[in-house]
Amino acid sequence: NAGVTQTPKFQVLKTGQSMTLQCAQDMNHEYMSWYRQDPGMGLRLIHYSVGAGITDQGEVPNGYNVSRSTTEDFPLRLLSAAPSQTSVYFCASSYSRDNEQFFGPGTRLTVL
Amino acid sequence: GNSVTQMEGPVTLSEEAFLTINCTYTATGYPSLFWYVQYPGEGLQLLLKATKADDKGSNKGFEATYRKETTSFHLEKGSVQVSDSAVYFCALSVIGYSTLTFGKGTMLLVSP
Repeated sequence: NAGVTQTPKFQVLKTGQSMTLQCAQDMNHEYMSWYRQDPGMGLRLIHYSVGAGITDQGEVPNGYNVSRSTTEDFPLRLLSAAPSQTSVYFCASSYSRDNEQFFGPGTRLTVL
Repeated sequence: GNSVTQMEGPVTLSEEAFLTINCTYTATGYPSLFWYVQYPGEGLQLLLKATKADDKGSNKGFEATYRKETTSFHLEKGSVQVSDSAVYFCALSVIGYSTLTFGKGTMLLVSP
């Protein structure tokens, strides 16, 4: 089992560029989520999905889009990057929303 | 709503010292409680959990007891090692809510 994988590990963007952060899991988990981690802020939920075809917003969804076409994949799209989106992004999955979440290694994004 | 409050860090200890990291919570409902650990440059991983009052979660020498009367879930270890240096997150989940609620994290630095 690879668990939860994320690509890329590091990314530098210019303001206004778009990109997609990839997340995949091989544990057949229904529940997947995206968090951002900023100094002194802990982890904040961006978007989550309770199954293929079903997504919903978290605490800080503005500027991000998600889709869930398969159980395995849950990409996060930045539509027009802003310096405020400089952060470390973590994808997580779990069997259900109340179970232990398994985290990916993270993507460190810098927006200039 | 749901919230988690952790003591601010960094917590700086010498090897073999006793560790306590305080965590208190508020929850609308009956929560499950978790401690996650994040080693430098990595994602979060579950350290221990407790799902009902008076349960004690334990792993790798760490312990935490679910105290409903004081709404607390303090993390303890009798003798820390340099390899325990990491950021520790307290979290809760409540059935019917979208995801985990995290505290802001407490950095632990252990020196030889």
